[in-house]
Amino acid sequence: EVQLVESGGGLVEPGGSLRLSCAASGFTFTDAWMSWVRQAPGKGLESIGLIKSRTDGGTAEYAAPVKGKFTISRDDSKNTLYLQMNSLKIEDTAVYYCSLRWWHGGEYFPQWGQGTLVTVSS
Amino acid sequence: QSVLTQPPSVSGAPGQRVTISCSGTSSNIGAGYNVHWYQQFPGTAPKLLIFASTIRPSGVPDRFSGSKSGTSASLAISGLQAEDEADYFCQAQDSSLGGSVFGGGTKLTVL
Repeated sequence: EVQLVESGGGLVEPGGSLRLSCAASGFTFTDAWMSWVRQAPGKGLESIGLIKSRTDGGTAEYAAPVKGKFTISRDDSKNTLYLQMNSLKIEDTAVYYCSLRWWHGGEYFPQWGQGTLVTVSS
Repeated sequence: QSVLTQPPSVSGAPGQRVTISCSGTSSNIGAGYNVHWYQQFPGTAPKLLIFASTIRPSGVPDRFSGSKSGTSASLAISGLQAEDEADYFCQAQDSSLGGSVFGGGTKLTVL
């Protein structure tokens, strides 16, 4: 059974940093492309980035709102995905989900973690 | 303002059929990309409901079906049940943005 478990969320002041983790199990993590999707309170979903598998280059891609301030990385030895968030703003307040990323005529997200809440506030 | 447009809410009585529309543009749905649908209950993570516009993952009841035409897509739910009351989101790849875009979500109320 696929399991994705996020951790690391919490309250942070504007301008601060936070690192989220996503522990994966139940599938071959090293072969998987992974994504982060966020959801602001009461709002819709926003895909913020992905990381390719190491065999496909292991590089990350980012959505415009987070490019240059968020970094996605992975540790295949620990089956763990990370999201380093810097220069946080109030508008980054959201539940952050990690997800598997598959492709079928466009990317989609077949499995999601339970999410972790990041609150940016002074 | 979401790139894909969905109605904020739809409703139906138990047993009825409802549809949720998802309108896109020539850079996403109209570019030939598939549409994917997710179901989300309050306080929980989204769950994949339909992928590749029409395919149900294992375990999703056949009361749920998807279609796509031109720059739009639809999710149909037949034989409405109280347990279907949730938020529904559409999603597609977007060539101009380089990643995925989502609809704003539709709240389904079962009367």
